[in-house]
Amino acid sequence: EAAVTQSPRNKVAVTGGKVTLSCNQTNNHNNMYWYRQDTGHGLRLIHYSYGAGSTEKGDIPDGYKASRPSQENFSLILELATPSQTSVYFCASGDAGTINQDTQYFGPGTRLLVL
Amino acid sequence: GDSVTQTEGLVTLTEGLPVMLNCTYQSTYSPFLFWYVQHLNEAPKLLLKSFTDNKRPEHQGFHATLHKSSSSFHLQKSSAQLSDSALYYCASTGANTGKLTFGHGTILRVHP
Repeated sequence: EAAVTQSPRNKVAVTGGKVTLSCNQTNNHNNMYWYRQDTGHGLRLIHYSYGAGSTEKGDIPDGYKASRPSQENFSLILELATPSQTSVYFCASGDAGTINQDTQYFGPGTRLLVL
Repeated sequence: GDSVTQTEGLVTLTEGLPVMLNCTYQSTYSPFLFWYVQHLNEAPKLLLKSFTDNKRPEHQGFHATLHKSSSSFHLQKSSAQLSDSALYYCASTGANTGKLTFGHGTILRVHP
């Protein structure tokens, strides 16, 4: 099974502060994704990547940046955190063996509280 | 744009009764459909996904049939178990992007 890890697992930040969420996958998947999960909204895609050096905007990218420095690592950056960004964030990596049959493997999630 | 609709936010069942969770989608092409399951305090994981050749996918007693005529991919199980209690997401793929569009999710609660 794919191994996706996230750090930190829990984070408390102050409004206006910078937050970096990190994700690592050890399965050599090309695709990686960042989602946030909120009650009533389900999983919403923030940013994604097709490989090292690539980042793409998802459905709700405002207020977030992403960085993919290597095949294994994909970071989500909140330059100026706001209370509305309080959420659970999931990273996922994709097994795009056949395009459009992309099974995604999720990390354990990071709980972020912005005060 | 593409969208996935799960009409029920919460489904409560007695153990042993059949399960059906609804999922419909809107798309300008023929996407692949997925069901993901998330147990409490765990990560979402794939439960099953549609095939290209119209076979019915099955896993852990769950199955789903893709009906293109009605744009549906409902999740079914003949007999609910207590361990099936979880949050279930239906999702579809984007056109040649590998991106998934998720529905809002349905919480399934199975009680004795």
